[in-house]
Amino acid sequence: GQQVMQIPQYQHVQEGEDFTTYCNSSTTLSNIQWYKQRPGGHPVFLIQLVKSGEVKKQKRLTFQFGEAKKNSSLHITATQTTDVGTYFCALDSNYQLIWGAGTKLIIKP
Amino acid sequence: DTEVTQTPKHLVMGMTNKKSLKCEQHMGHRAMYWYKQKAKKPPELMFVYSYEKLSINESVPSRFSPECPNSSLLNLHLHALQPEDSALYLCASSQGREQFFGPGTRLTVL
Repeated sequence: GQQVMQIPQYQHVQEGEDFTTYCNSSTTLSNIQWYKQRPGGHPVFLIQLVKSGEVKKQKRLTFQFGEAKKNSSLHITATQTTDVGTYFCALDSNYQLIWGAGTKLIIKP
Repeated sequence: DTEVTQTPKHLVMGMTNKKSLKCEQHMGHRAMYWYKQKAKKPPELMFVYSYEKLSINESVPSRFSPECPNSSLLNLHLHALQPEDSALYLCASSQGREQFFGPGTRLTVL
């Protein structure tokens, strides 16, 4: 079945630095969703991308879907403490989500 | 109301106990889900209900028994669990695109 690989597993940044997480697949993705899970919390839907080359922005968050629809990225500009958590990408396949492993954003003290 | 609620928040049970987890949504979503999430891992799908009928069972052991009494409620009945079943159990609902997750039940099996 389809798999979604996500890297890195962790990213440590100073507050104010940027953060990026990447999702990749060996096959074409019909869509990609992004979720955020705060420590001790539950996943919260951020966005869904469906079009080749799509770029969407939500304040400091920029989401991209590759031209070949085999990769996607989430970029956060100037991280803040409220950004801390684990970011997951997921493929919606017939209403089942195929999840990436997640990238944990850690703000260095 | 755009919320999925789950009770209890925390549950500690012995291996011989029987307990139930409850989930409720009032968004009119047709699909409801149970997930199990271990630390540092993504959620792992257990069951999917579509229009109150069980449509997907991801080879979950029979000690987990789901029930959908109506379109707003989802239960997960637990019996004779093992310590390795300790995890965060998440309920979610959807009407096509994104899934809305409840806060979860943190289960500890002693």
